[in-house]
Amino acid sequence: DGGITQSPKYLFRKEGQNVTLSCEQNLNHDAMYWYRQDPGQGLRLIYYSQIVNDFQKGDIAEGYSVSREKKESFPLTVTSAQKNPTAFYLCASSQPGLDHEQFFGPGTRLTVL
Amino acid sequence: AQSVTQPDIHITVSEGASLELRCNYSYGATPYLFWYVQSPGQGLQLLLKYFSGDTLVQGIKGFEAEFKRSQSSFNLRKPSVHWSDAAEYFCAVGADTGGFKTIFGAGTRLFVKA
Repeated sequence: DGGITQSPKYLFRKEGQNVTLSCEQNLNHDAMYWYRQDPGQGLRLIYYSQIVNDFQKGDIAEGYSVSREKKESFPLTVTSAQKNPTAFYLCASSQPGLDHEQFFGPGTRLTVL
Repeated sequence: AQSVTQPDIHITVSEGASLELRCNYSYGATPYLFWYVQSPGQGLQLLLKYFSGDTLVQGIKGFEAEFKRSQSSFNLRKPSVHWSDAAEYFCAVGADTGGFKTIFGAGTRLFVKA
């Protein structure tokens, strides 16, 4: 079955610690995305990558970092510089030429204690 | 710049009643338009999409949407709602501006009463 996996589903972190969220896809998609979801605000784009070894900042990149060393993987690091990291994080992928439909993972809920 | 407005934060309908969720977008050219659905604590699933052709688009789960360029709208409809349709619905607009980006609306939460 093709799809996107995110792990862990729930993540707790102490203030001041960095944490990395995993996102893996086996859809052979070139593009991958990270979104942050807060109640009443929809999805906001953190980072996106159109191709391996390349990525761009989205609308709310401050306090986050990413890497794209492999086509199937796009991990997101939430750093201690992110002032309000508690949120639901969604990873997605898409393939240009397929109408830009995005396929989403199940999400990771991060709580900072 | 692209933007999406979903005027209704939440809507309650009776099971079996019809449904219309509103979506207005802002973009200079014809955009890619999407409706996604999200169950609590889950990822998003595509219901339907439009980028050209027939302005009435059919999707999964009995949903449809109509693109109206003159009103910059892409409203989602379903003739008869089922209790399992209770979820959050997101309208989104995408455009290729040197890299494809999708902007999501704030979402409309649908409650279904028996």
